[in-house]
Amino acid sequence: DAGVTQSPTHLIKTRGQHVTLRCSPISGHKSVSWYQQVLGQGPQFIFQYYEKEERGRGNFPDRFSARQFPNYSSELNVNALLLGDSALYLCASSLEGSGTDTQYFGPGTRLTVL
Amino acid sequence: LAKTTQPISMDSYEGQEVNITCSHNNIATNDYITWYQQFPSQGPRFIIQGYKTKVTNEVASLFIPADRKSSTLSLPRVSLSDTAVYYCLVGDKAGNTGKLIFGQGTTLQVKP
Repeated sequence: DAGVTQSPTHLIKTRGQHVTLRCSPISGHKSVSWYQQVLGQGPQFIFQYYEKEERGRGNFPDRFSARQFPNYSSELNVNALLLGDSALYLCASSLEGSGTDTQYFGPGTRLTVL
Repeated sequence: LAKTTQPISMDSYEGQEVNITCSHNNIATNDYITWYQQFPSQGPRFIIQGYKTKVTNEVASLFIPADRKSSTLSLPRVSLSDTAVYYCLVGDKAGNTGKLIFGQGTTLQVKP
């Protein structure tokens, strides 16, 4: 069975540009969450979506946005990129995104902002 | 959500049992405890989850004392491939959100 997939695997952008990251959840999973992981730190929660609705949002600026599609895949968009946005962006899927659901992470997208 | 405290790093040798303890003094009644493992440049991988006493699976055991203010992840007979960062998280069992709060984790280095 395919796990969570993310694309692209690596991305290099310059300051001020925008970026779109994509995630496909495990088949049957209806919830997708996004995390940012800066080098040397644990992942930080950005968004959670369930059935195309935003269920949770972390402490990130409005430059960060996301959406979930009818097939439960998801996109994370970041506008006006800053150097500090350089990080590994992780997508996690779960059945319903509830507190006891196990979340399964994808391999991540490594974003470098120059 | 309850804050967790773990050792920043630990060293071990192949074949040894490794115990990583996590403190969560402010754990709430509805909170459960989950451990994840992460290799460099990969997403975290679920290891084990528990609420009280002891939980065991094919990978690890999780020991939770009666007061639930701490928990210990036990990895039997580690190998070099167990070198990774291990995260302890606490979350609301009854919550309707799967938001995970990661700390800095424990970097486990297994030596030959």
